[in-house]
Amino acid sequence: ILNVEQSPQSLHVQEGDSTNFTCSFPSSNFYALHWYRWETAKSPEALFVMTLNGDEKKKGRISATLNTKEGYSYLYIKGSQPEDSATYLCAFISGTASKLTFGTGTRLQVML
Amino acid sequence: DAMVIQNPRYQVTQFGKPVTLSCSQTLNHNVMYWYQQKSSQAPKLLFHYYDKDFNNEADTPDNFQSRRPNTSFCFLDIRSPGLGDTAMYLCATSRGTGTGSYEQYFGPGTRLTVT
Repeated sequence: ILNVEQSPQSLHVQEGDSTNFTCSFPSSNFYALHWYRWETAKSPEALFVMTLNGDEKKKGRISATLNTKEGYSYLYIKGSQPEDSATYLCAFISGTASKLTFGTGTRLQVML
Repeated sequence: DAMVIQNPRYQVTQFGKPVTLSCSQTLNHNVMYWYQQKSSQAPKLLFHYYDKDFNNEADTPDNFQSRRPNTSFCFLDIRSPGLGDTAMYLCATSRGTGTGSYEQYFGPGTRLTVT
């Protein structure tokens, strides 16, 4: 059983604050790591797909890093805005499986 | 423009009464997935289709079945829902499963309540 853990479970920040959260996954047999954003009442949408150790990806104010040797990825949000409020899910694929194994997510609430 | 559509968005059914959830896609993707997410848990893959090839996860209960009559549509049938099947059901698509680099496109989910 693959274990994907996300921390913290939930986070409240003020508008303008920068924040980050963690996804931990097995360090052996890594294939890919996905990040998704899921706003309430909407569809989860892909933010990043990361495949190489040391990868850094950026989309606007959101960026992510990947360390496959130690089994973690960080997601950073710079200058949080209310529209960033969502659950952020990471999902791991090992080399022996073609399916995503999700974490339980980090629920972010950005307050005015 | 909606790309992965799920109907209904909310469904209430009685214990033991069969229910069908629907998913359609306009992306022409080969692969369609069904996930179950119970409260405060991670989404869990139930099964997926690669074209017409059905792939069941080992721990998916027999009570859960799926049909994919064509590329665009996929159905989740729960033959005799139990109270423990109350959950959000997510449908997703991707271009392929051969590499983990294919992002998945999700529908908004169907929230199923079994009473």
